[in-house]
Amino acid sequence: QSVLTQPPSVSGAPGQRVTISCTGSSSNIGVGYDVHWYQHVPGTAPKLLIYDNTNRPSGVPARFSGSRSGASASLAITGLQAEDEADYYCQSYDSGLSTMLFGGGTKLTVL
Amino acid sequence: QVQLVESGGGVVQPGRSLGLSCVVSGFSFSDYGMQWVRQAPGKGLEWVALISFDGRKENYRDSVKGRFTISRDNSKNTLSLQMNSLTPEDTALYYCAKTNLKYCSGSTCLQSAFDNWGQGTRVTVSS
Repeated sequence: QSVLTQPPSVSGAPGQRVTISCTGSSSNIGVGYDVHWYQHVPGTAPKLLIYDNTNRPSGVPARFSGSRSGASASLAITGLQAEDEADYYCQSYDSGLSTMLFGGGTKLTVL
Repeated sequence: QVQLVESGGGVVQPGRSLGLSCVVSGFSFSDYGMQWVRQAPGKGLEWVALISFDGRKENYRDSVKGRFTISRDNSKNTLSLQMNSLTPEDTALYYCAKTNLKYCSGSTCLQSAFDNWGQGTRVTVSS
């Protein structure tokens, strides 16, 4: 059971919008620590999609966006494409554990 | 462009040791904290260890404390992970990654994002 909770899977048809949630607590996201998001195709290098809750690195399409509210964060993907099929992970810091955490990951399937 | 290339993985018996390396290029290695992250078969990403830009501060997940040592040689643009007393639970694909925050150390690094990753090196612990 991860400290940062993500849904195991989400799915959507091409062109649709999907969101992936990352639920934390008062010792991590809820106390204001930043959330970062990664896209990962197993066996390849993970890719940073969103840093510091809402910021996109250069080269990441505007279809990807992030938000944070209270003890949760979300990644939204609009205009879903087949190439978006991957695992998505949130990451934050927990002051109680004094460690970096990844969420359990969410598998996105493009129908 | 930025490149991180891991090496040193392999098959090792429980209780034995293994050393991983990550050679980087395309950025000023000595300015950034670095980490190791692993993914066990069928599992998610798991943070392993982090070292500050200057090598003075190390952080480890509890399950590897006392067994793993992260280090860096800024003159050789190389990050290392020495793994001792390996167990089957250490079986994973190990990735090295770079922080996106210059000159970070300790909790500041642990709060940062990681903007460049290697392709990984596979470690299998089995008798």
